[in-house]
Amino acid sequence: EAGVTQFPSHSVIEKGQTVTLRCDPISGHDNLYWYRRVMGKEIKFLLHFVKESKQDESGMPNNRFLAERTGGTYSTLKVQPAELEDSGVYFCASSQGYARSDTQYFGPGTRLTVL
Amino acid sequence: GNSVTQMEGPVTLSEEAFLTINCTYTATGYPSLFWYVQYPGEGLQLLLKATKADDKGSNKGFEATYRKETTSFHLEKGSVQVSDSAVYFCALAREAGTALIFGKGTTLSVSS
Repeated sequence: EAGVTQFPSHSVIEKGQTVTLRCDPISGHDNLYWYRRVMGKEIKFLLHFVKESKQDESGMPNNRFLAERTGGTYSTLKVQPAELEDSGVYFCASSQGYARSDTQYFGPGTRLTVL
Repeated sequence: GNSVTQMEGPVTLSEEAFLTINCTYTATGYPSLFWYVQYPGEGLQLLLKATKADDKGSNKGFEATYRKETTSFHLEKGSVQVSDSAVYFCALAREAGTALIFGKGTTLSVSS
């Protein structure tokens, strides 16, 4: 069974540009999460989808970030316009259930560098 | 608020040494606790978890016990190997929600 995949693995962009990150969850997993780790800091939650609906977007830093999950399958996270402080590693995770004990399976992450 | 505190790294050990990585948490209610590991060039993998007080999670020789009285979930391994070199993250899932709250991570380097 394929794991969570993310694309691209690395992205280097200029400040002010737009970047779109993609996440493909494990097949059959209704729950999809986005997290990010800024250098030296904790991994921080961004948002949670249940199928195509946003269940919790309390971690989204500002309105420059837009996440979508059309059709309840893959998800995209767009940053527009990108700022220097957006640099970091963006992780996607998926889970079958959404109880607090359910395991979230993580992708390898996308390393975003904003110059 | 809810938070996780891990010991600062890096931790450098020789092969076959005993490992402890401390993790304490602050949370309301009864969170679930997790240890995730990130090997070089890979994503986060669940190492072990515990969902209630006094539960012990174990996997690949690693163990951690959910101690509610000390709000701790310390990771231990009796004899580390070079292949255990990685970044270890302690995390909790709040009772009322599902977002994981992570510690800063501890880098472990094991030499032969």
